Amino acid sequence: GAVVSQHPSRVICKSGTSVKIECRSLDFQATTMFWYRQFPKKSLMLMATSNEGSKATYEQGVEKDKFLINHASLTLSTLTVTSAHPEDSSFYICSATSGGMGLVRSHNEQFFGPGTRLTVL
Amino acid sequence: DAKTTQPPSMDCAEGRAANLPCNHSTISGNEYVYWYRQIHSQGPQYIIHGLKNNETNEMASLIITEDRKSSTLILPHATLRDTAVYYCIVYYDMRFGAGTRLTVKP
Repeated sequence: GAVVSQHPSRVICKSGTSVKIECRSLDFQATTMFWYRQFPKKSLMLMATSNEGSKATYEQGVEKDKFLINHASLTLSTLTVTSAHPEDSSFYICSATSGGMGLVRSHNEQFFGPGTRLTVL
Repeated sequence: DAKTTQPPSMDCAEGRAANLPCNHSTISGNEYVYWYRQIHSQGPQYIIHGLKNNETNEMASLIITEDRKSSTLILPHATLRDTAVYYCIVYYDMRFGAGTRLTVKP
């Protein structure tokens, strides 16, 4: 199946710094990417949906100015956690699909990355 | 909130079939049901998906009710390595519920 990678797999940073996480689709063009966060022993929480070349759509309660998402190409989306604080420590997971999310809905599989563990000290 | 609800946990004996139910009563006509599983500290692993018909692949079978309001994932011969959290989601909604923690016991 298709492969989605994330980089870095693990990052530790100081409070107040910004951290960028990359999500890449390795062998297909991802028109849509999703970002999730997961706290220990909890389920995945959808943060935002991004379509290539357009602004991301954030879920209710997710601060768009804190979690900056850029989907500039069909194979790369980035999530930047700005001014990170200890409460932002979490497991961040991206997923990608080649399916469109617009008016004409075509079915495609959704592939998940391996996740990035962020620890803010 | 997610469109799916699942029992929080289930046990299964090794070698027996594991049947994991999922309710998705508000699913739309063009939405698919997807199943994933997650082993600790890893990204979710795709298992199977379906729209109306029952589906089978090398990992599992998916039974979808005629009204499409619920489905069942079947692992025909569970092994200890199938111990994981299993999630069903509705494709296009993309929100995860709490999932079912399946424990396969020797």
